[in-house]
Amino acid sequence: EDQVTQSPEALRLQEGESSSLNCSYTVSGLRGLFWYRQDPGKGPEFLFTLYSAGEEKEKERLKATLTKKESFLHITAPKPEDSATYLCAVQTDKLIFGTGTRLQVFP
Amino acid sequence: ETGVTQTPRHLVMGMTNKKSLKCEQHLGHNAMYWYKQSAKKPLELMFVYSLEERVENNSVPSRFSPECPNSSHLFLHLHTLQPEDSALYLCASSRDWGQGSYEQYFGPGTRLTVT
Repeated sequence: EDQVTQSPEALRLQEGESSSLNCSYTVSGLRGLFWYRQDPGKGPEFLFTLYSAGEEKEKERLKATLTKKESFLHITAPKPEDSATYLCAVQTDKLIFGTGTRLQVFP
Repeated sequence: ETGVTQTPRHLVMGMTNKKSLKCEQHLGHNAMYWYKQSAKKPLELMFVYSLEERVENNSVPSRFSPECPNSSHLFLHLHTLQPEDSALYLCASSRDWGQGSYEQYFGPGTRLTVT
């Protein structure tokens, strides 16, 4: 059965303390992997698409990487405004979402 | 803003009411989606429309009835809901659907409370 697991469930960081969020998957026929950011009471906001192992994408303090079994979202020197829930989703013949990592960054 | 709007943003309804959620996308996309988001659960895909034709219906109870009159508008008609249907209902759109991989753009959601 296709499965997407995100860890940790919650992460508290001090401002400037870099870290990584994990999205591991067991699926057949990966077509793409997406990262989204979701603020409370809002819809998910698209961040990145990764298609194949070894691919990397960057946007400001965020960098997403992909291997054959997992993806990482690296956050470098985070700021309080990076606080949000980060969702990953894997595209096979359907789109499967993980449950997200809730990130809190404190000043 | 993402180019996907939803109304209303909040809705409280009794179990015997009938209401509708509306979604509009201004992105020129061909596919539109309804999702249900409950606390501590992954997003649950409810319906998919591609070029105004329903292409997926993921075992959703008949008390939820979608309608897609054109490629820019999507409705979710609600009737005789249960308290467990309380959730955030999200609409999304993507350039296309089917083979390939297309990022989806989400609206802000409708927070539904069933009393």
